[in-house]
Amino acid sequence: ETGVTQSPTHLIKTRGQQVTLRCSSQSGHNTVSWYQQALGQGPQFIFQYYREEENGRGNFPPRFSGLQFPNYSSELNVNALELDDSALYLCASSLPPGEQYFGPGTRLTVT
Amino acid sequence: GNSVTQMEGPVTLSEEAFLTINCTYTATGYPSLFWYVQYPGEGLQLLLKATKADDKGSNKGFEATYRKETTSFHLEKGSVQVSDSAVYFCALRGELAGGTSYGKLTFGQGTILTVHP
Repeated sequence: ETGVTQSPTHLIKTRGQQVTLRCSSQSGHNTVSWYQQALGQGPQFIFQYYREEENGRGNFPPRFSGLQFPNYSSELNVNALELDDSALYLCASSLPPGEQYFGPGTRLTVT
Repeated sequence: GNSVTQMEGPVTLSEEAFLTINCTYTATGYPSLFWYVQYPGEGLQLLLKATKADDKGSNKGFEATYRKETTSFHLEKGSVQVSDSAVYFCALRGELAGGTSYGKLTFGQGTILTVHP
């Protein structure tokens, strides 16, 4: 059974640019949640997708957007990058009401 | 809203010492409670969970008991090893809404544990 995978592993972008992060969910899981983990902090919930629809959103601006595809993989898009967007971005997949399984994360650095 | 508070860190122990990491929460209703562990350069791994009051979650020698009267879920281990060095996160998931929607996880700020030989 393949676990949750994320790509890329690391990414460096310039302020104002746009970025797309990708997540492949674990086999059989139909829900993907995205979290932002700033250095030294706990993960913060960005949003969740369930069967291709957004199903809950945290306190993040609209320039954070996402997609979920028919195979339940997902993308996180961030427009107009700011320095404070530098963080580890984690995705987690699940099959409700089961547990969330996390991927290894994408480290985004904005300069 | 929901919130989780963990004890201030970092925590430094010698091998075979007893470990306690305190966690308290604020939530309405009956949340589920979790401990996750994060090793350097990796994502989060679920360590243990408890879904109702007085439940005890346990895994790899770690234990935590869901105490609704004190809104706590403290993590304990009787004898830590060097390999337990990691960051530990307490988290809660609110009661599930009706239908098939799935609650978000709310995390504490994390506690860095370092175990010396």
